Amino acid sequence: DAGVIQSPRHEVTEMGQEVTLRCKPISGHNSLFWYRQTMMRGLELLIYFNNNVPIDDSGMPEDRFSAKMPNASFSTLKIQPSEPRDSAVYFCASTTDWGIGNQPQHFGDGTRLSIL
Amino acid sequence: QQQVKQSPQSLIVQKGGISIINCAYENTAFDYFPWYQQFPGKGPALLIAIRPDVSEKKEGRFTISFNKSAKQFSLHIMDSQPGDSATYFCAASMNTGFQKLVFGTGTRLLVSP
Repeated sequence: DAGVIQSPRHEVTEMGQEVTLRCKPISGHNSLFWYRQTMMRGLELLIYFNNNVPIDDSGMPEDRFSAKMPNASFSTLKIQPSEPRDSAVYFCASTTDWGIGNQPQHFGDGTRLSIL
Repeated sequence: QQQVKQSPQSLIVQKGGISIINCAYENTAFDYFPWYQQFPGKGPALLIAIRPDVSEKKEGRFTISFNKSAKQFSLHIMDSQPGDSATYFCAASMNTGFQKLVFGTGTRLLVSP
């Protein structure tokens, strides 16, 4: 089975540009997470979707960040305008867990974002 | 209170040795404690997890020891192998309706041949 698929794997762009990161969760998973990983702050949860609905976006750093999940097989994380401090590795993860038990979160291989 | 403190930051172990990584937490509402393994260029992958109603869980060469009263838990890798060289993250979550993981800062393990 295919795992969580993220694209692009690498993105280099100039400050002020719009950046869109994409994620395809594992088929059948109803929960999707976006994380950001930096040396300074480690792994941080940005937003959580359940059944395509955003449930917790308390980790979204500011209004420049937005996330959507138009259907069960696709999600986007958008940064507009981008800033150098947004440089990080962004991960998407999915699972079937919804409050009962603890199924593992399956992570994609991430998008390494560099804002110049 | 939401933090999970992890140590050491890095660890070098000889092949065949025991690797030990420690984590501590403050929030007693945490009820699920997973360990994730991350290789360079890859996303984290669940290695092993424990709930606070048991003091130890073992899966192959990997063991979690859990001390509820001390609010500490640790990962032991027995007979460490060069292929175990990776970054390890402890995490914790509470039942908020979904698995909201709080991650430790990570330990970079190098197992020398």
